[in-house]
Amino acid sequence: DAGVTQSPTHLIKTRGQQVTLRCSPKSGHDTVSWYQQALGQGPQFIFQYYEEEERQRGNFPDRFSGHQFPNYSSELNVNALLLGDSALYLCASSSTGYNEKLFFGSGTQLSVL
Amino acid sequence: DAKTTQPTSMDCAEGRAANLPCNHSTISGNEYVYWYRQIHSQGPQYIIHGLKNNETNEMASLIITEDRKSSTLILPHATLRDTAVYYCIVYMEYGNKLVFGAGTILRVKS
Repeated sequence: DAGVTQSPTHLIKTRGQQVTLRCSPKSGHDTVSWYQQALGQGPQFIFQYYEEEERQRGNFPDRFSGHQFPNYSSELNVNALLLGDSALYLCASSSTGYNEKLFFGSGTQLSVL
Repeated sequence: DAKTTQPTSMDCAEGRAANLPCNHSTISGNEYVYWYRQIHSQGPQYIIHGLKNNETNEMASLIITEDRKSSTLILPHATLRDTAVYYCIVYMEYGNKLVFGAGTILRVKS
């Protein structure tokens, strides 16, 4: 049983560019969340998708957007990249319900130059 | 903001028990305490969770005080592979949104 898979593992972009990160949830999971983790800090919640809609959103600008597909996989898009967007981007999946534990992927390391 | 307070770092000798404390004095009655850990360059990994009773699984034990204002994660026989950042998290609301603090860096030394 494959866990949460993310692609690519590493990415280098320049300021102003756009990036798309991808996530496939663990089998049986229907909810996908995205987190941003800056160096030396804990992960910060970006948003969560369920039934192809954004269900919750953290304190991130509209440059961060996402999508969930019918097979529950998800994409995170970031427009107009800033140097401060350099971080590890983590995808987590879970089943619907209260207090369902999250399973995380290994992340995509994004560097913005 | 995170609702928990943890020490910045701790050291533990290999083979000994590692006891990681967490304060969550404002926890609500229906909020659970969850523990995750993150080994370098990997995503966070679920360890254990509890509401008010002590819990044990194959990885660790969780001791929650009677007033629920604090808890302790116990790794009974720490190994070098347990070196990681350990996050204590209180679930804020329905919807599986985790609010991470800075966590505790646990260093297991031989």
